[in-house]
Amino acid sequence: AQKITQTQPGMFVQEKEAVTLDCTYDTSDQSYGLFWYKQPSSGEMIFLIYQGSYDEQNATEGRYSLNFQKARKSANLVISASQLGDSAMYFCAMREGSNDYKLSFGAGTTVTVRA
Amino acid sequence: GAVVSQHPSWVICKSGTSVKIECRSLDFQATTMFWYRQFPKQSLMLMATSNEGSKATYEQGVEKDKFLINHASLTLSTLTVTSAHPEDSSFYICSAGTGNYGYTFGSGTRLTVV
Repeated sequence: AQKITQTQPGMFVQEKEAVTLDCTYDTSDQSYGLFWYKQPSSGEMIFLIYQGSYDEQNATEGRYSLNFQKARKSANLVISASQLGDSAMYFCAMREGSNDYKLSFGAGTTVTVRA
Repeated sequence: GAVVSQHPSWVICKSGTSVKIECRSLDFQATTMFWYRQFPKQSLMLMATSNEGSKATYEQGVEKDKFLINHASLTLSTLTVTSAHPEDSSFYICSAGTGNYGYTFGSGTRLTVV
């Protein structure tokens, strides 16, 4: 079974608008961590934001926020005020203790920001 | 912050030859290193986990004799693709665990086998 599901293969967003990238996860662990990474065409993996399973507040990092709905096992990424430089592939990932702390990645969502 | 340096960034090799990819942790000790493979427009697939001083643990379906991983020191892990073939052409990327907040990735290596 898929541990991380990203159902949006690609999205277009207008510059300066907000975009929400969906991510649902599957785990039976009580303690786990959720990550979002950005991968531009250069290939590097850029860490964006982290949410721990016990964190009660949604994580925020600048223009990035994570909408964490634990009961629904959902961890959507919201990018506010999109910029052209936000065009990239975005991956949701999960770390579980029961999986030796390896990261499981979703299929990714390609975001294209239009001027 | 924690930095992982990965070399080479890209390499072209002839079919049948071997290629070594290095990942070095520059300012921290990486007890564990993860190696991933990524095909164009696809996700990262974990190939193996290497622990300093011990044998690597390979994911199901990954040929351990083809993808040799060595983690001889706390700052260096290497992946050697042996007897490379065109189907091994891919993007390879390493990452090191850096504590509770996760992982630092190398910049990746684009391997093309001709």
